[in-house]
Amino acid sequence: SQQGEEDPQALSIQEGENATMNCSYKTSINNLQWYRQNSGRGLVHLILIRSNEREKHSGRLRVTLDTSKKSSSLLITASRAADTASYFCATDASFGNEKLTFGTGTRLTIIP
Amino acid sequence: GAVVSQHPSRVICKSGTSVKIECRSLDFQATTMFWYRQFPKQSLMLMATSNEGSKATYEQGVEKDKFLINHASLTLSTLTVTSAHPEDSSFYICSARKTGARYNEQFFGPGTRLTVL
Repeated sequence: SQQGEEDPQALSIQEGENATMNCSYKTSINNLQWYRQNSGRGLVHLILIRSNEREKHSGRLRVTLDTSKKSSSLLITASRAADTASYFCATDASFGNEKLTFGTGTRLTIIP
Repeated sequence: GAVVSQHPSRVICKSGTSVKIECRSLDFQATTMFWYRQFPKQSLMLMATSNEGSKATYEQGVEKDKFLINHASLTLSTLTVTSAHPEDSSFYICSARKTGARYNEQFFGPGTRLTVL
């Protein structure tokens, strides 16, 4: 079942601007991960943030996690046309059954 | 690296036939692999968890006799869609978790587009 919800569902911005996507979830988690999916392709792992972390950076990506609000955000700075894709958050529940539960996804379009 | 391949990438079959999809971890061992299904413009829905050397664990609502999973080695899991029907048409994606990985980071295959006529 889907645990996470993401907003916005779709986002279009000009190249060079920053893009922010949000993810909310319902149960306690061990960690939260963000993935990117280009149209008709598999998923690419972007970043993992553990439940005891609040912020993490990787290149142009910045992820925050607020476990009190059960939410996370993904910020992509200085967006590029190649960033056009769908972005999903996925949670790993704290009862450790190895399953990831994916959010509904945000479709990001970067306008050149 | 952590590369996962899927074969075939695209398959078209007639209603009533069976289709086998392979998922391979190319440069690591994966005790656990996962099979997902994705409908257009929707998120991934977990179908089953495949464990090497044991029976797969299916999610609620997924028919185990229709979606046969075999995980015979640490680098290969197969999903067989038996007696396929048009409603089985979908994008099937597998992922693999590295054996002994500390965190549940999963590496995904490129997906298989199944069309049942």
